[in-house]
Amino acid sequence: KQEVTQIPAALSVPEGENLVLNCSFTDSAIYNLQWFRQDPGKGLTSLLLIQSSQREQTSGRLNASLDKSSGRSTLYIAASQPGDSATYLCAATSGGSNYKLTFGKGTLLTVNP
Amino acid sequence: NAGVTQTPKFQVLKTGQSMTLQCAQDMNHEYMSWYRQDPGMGLRLIHYSVGAGITDQGEVPNGYNVSRSTTEDFPLRLLSAAPSQTSVYFCATRNHKTGYNEQFFGPGTRLTVL
Repeated sequence: KQEVTQIPAALSVPEGENLVLNCSFTDSAIYNLQWFRQDPGKGLTSLLLIQSSQREQTSGRLNASLDKSSGRSTLYIAASQPGDSATYLCAATSGGSNYKLTFGKGTLLTVNP
Repeated sequence: NAGVTQTPKFQVLKTGQSMTLQCAQDMNHEYMSWYRQDPGMGLRLIHYSVGAGITDQGEVPNGYNVSRSTTEDFPLRLLSAAPSQTSVYFCATRNHKTGYNEQFFGPGTRLTVL
């Protein structure tokens, strides 16, 4: 059974700092890994999706990497801003016919002005 | 293009009442699913469907029913609500036929069962 873990559970940084959020998964036979952002009381917004054959994806100040062999993914946020404050979730899609998505519990990021 | 829509946004039920959470999508995605999100538990898959007429159970299906008569709609039914079903419910879709498999979520329904 796939298990996804995100560490730390919460992170507080000053504005302008570069930061890394971590995601680990137990079953390396994943189809892809997706990073989401969730604002309080809101739904999930997809940030980046990395296919199993890829090593990284970039969108603006965000860069996500994937290392299947070690069961790890990281989300790098450059030059953080107060507007980046949110909960960040990673989710692994397992292979097979039903493509189940297994979520981590998220990292609550606070960027202080 | 509305994406994934969910109704209602908020709902309060009494124990034993029934209701249907609605989910609709206009992206022509075959795959649709329902999750619940609880503090400390993360998101857990309730039911999913890979196309009209095909549904299957996820991780926490007990107390919920689904059906999929069209590509666009995937309602979630609570037959007899219990306080343990107090949660935030998210519907999600995915176009798995493209091979890209990016998942899109609706805004959620916040359900309280008294």
